[in-house]
Amino acid sequence: SQTIHQWPATLVQPVGSPLSLECTVEGTSNPNLYWYRQAAGRGLQLLFYSVGIGQISSEVPQNLSASRPQDRQFILSSKKLLLSDSGFYLCAWSRRAGELFFGEGSRLTVL
Amino acid sequence: AQTVTQSQPEMSVQEAETVTLSCTYDTSENNYYLFWYKQPPSRQMILVIRQEAYKQQNATENRFSVNFQKAAKSFSLKISDSQLGDTAMYFCAFMKHGSGNTGKLIFGQGTTLQVKP
Repeated sequence: SQTIHQWPATLVQPVGSPLSLECTVEGTSNPNLYWYRQAAGRGLQLLFYSVGIGQISSEVPQNLSASRPQDRQFILSSKKLLLSDSGFYLCAWSRRAGELFFGEGSRLTVL
Repeated sequence: AQTVTQSQPEMSVQEAETVTLSCTYDTSENNYYLFWYKQPPSRQMILVIRQEAYKQQNATENRFSVNFQKAAKSFSLKISDSQLGDTAMYFCAFMKHGSGNTGKLIFGQGTTLQVKP
C-alpha cells in the first residue's frame, strides 16, 4: 500500500532563517506531488506541483521554492522566512484525477 | 478563473441526524471533477466523495451522498446518520478535466462540522 510522510510535524523558526520541509511517498512510482498551504481559517492553496524528477511548477509567487531530487521525494524550502510564511503545509500525491492523498501536515510558525 | 464557495463556516448536527453542507462553484469549463474532502482534528485530510461533471447520477459513498446541480453550479454534501467521528472540517474542491491539471484542486474555505452526542 502507498504511504506518504512529511516532516517535521511542527517547526518554530525566526524571521530570516531558512526552511526545509520534506515529503516522501512509498509504494508507488512516478507520482504527481503537491505542496499546499492552509492558512488559519482558510482553505488550501496550491503552492507547487511536480509531475516528475526536477519538474516543478509554481502556482503563486512567493518566498518559497520546491525541489524534487528523487522520484518520491518532494522538498519545500526557503532561504529567508517571512512572518507571512506561517501556516500549515500539506504534501500530497495523486493517483487518479483529483484524488489526492495527503500527508500529516507540517505546522510552521515564524516569529 | 475557477472559484469555490462554501457559505457555511460552521454547522452542527445531532448524532444520528442528517446534515447538508453547501458548495457552489464558478467555471466556464464543461468537463471537470468535484470533490469533498474531510479534515478531522487529527489534521490528515482524506477524500470523502468524488463526482465527475459528465455524470448526471449523484455520487454516493455509504452515508455520504452529493446533490450535483450542474446548471446551478451547486455541489452539496449530505451526511446521513451522523456519527461523532464525522466531526471535522469539510472542504469542497474543483478540478478541471485534462492531463495538465491532474491533482490541481481549487478548494473552498471549508465548513467546520460539529456532531453532538
